[in-house]
Amino acid sequence: ETGVTQSPTHLIKTRGQQVTLRCSSQSGHNTVSWYQQALGQGPQFIFQYYREEENGRGNFPPRFSGLQFPNYSSELNVNALELDDSALYLCASSPPPGQGVRDGYTFGSGTRLTVV
Amino acid sequence: GQSLEQPSEVTAVEGAIVQINCTYQTSGFYGLSWYQQHDGGAPTFLSYNALDGLEETGRFSSFLSRSDSYGYLLLQELQMKDSASYFCAVRDLNYGGSQGNLIFGKGTKLSVKP
Repeated sequence: ETGVTQSPTHLIKTRGQQVTLRCSSQSGHNTVSWYQQALGQGPQFIFQYYREEENGRGNFPPRFSGLQFPNYSSELNVNALELDDSALYLCASSPPPGQGVRDGYTFGSGTRLTVV
Repeated sequence: GQSLEQPSEVTAVEGAIVQINCTYQTSGFYGLSWYQQHDGGAPTFLSYNALDGLEETGRFSSFLSRSDSYGYLLLQELQMKDSASYFCAVRDLNYGGSQGNLIFGKGTKLSVKP
């Protein structure tokens, strides 16, 4: 059983640029959630994708967008990068909504994004 | 709105018992979870409580009181490897999804001393 894999592991971008982060979900999971974790803070919910559609969103501006593909993998896109976007971006996969609630989310190791 | 409160730091010695409390405030509560995260690592799932009471998994137990909007994680027979950050997280219907989306607290950094 493969876990959640994220790429790249580290990334440095300049303010104003755009970035795409990628995530492959765990085998058997078709729901993907994205989180932003600043240093010393808890993960902040960005959005969740299920069946290639957004299935809930946190308090993030529209320049944070996402996609989910038929193989359940997902992308997080951030436009017009700001210095405050520097953080660890975590992807988590889970069974379909309504199933496996007691099993929790499986997180990837994240992408460390630095905006300079 | 929604908020979760937990202590920022806790220190304990090997072999001891430690309790990490979490209070939450949300109108869309659908269950309380706990996650462990070592420095530089991914959060890993520890437990989930949907109903009031105690859930036990090995050395870790988690408790929920929905009427008090309160839960705790109890770690017994502490080991050095338990040094990590511990996050409570609520499934919150206000953030979409048929069973809510997972919203995390700021975390409690547990240091286990010899």
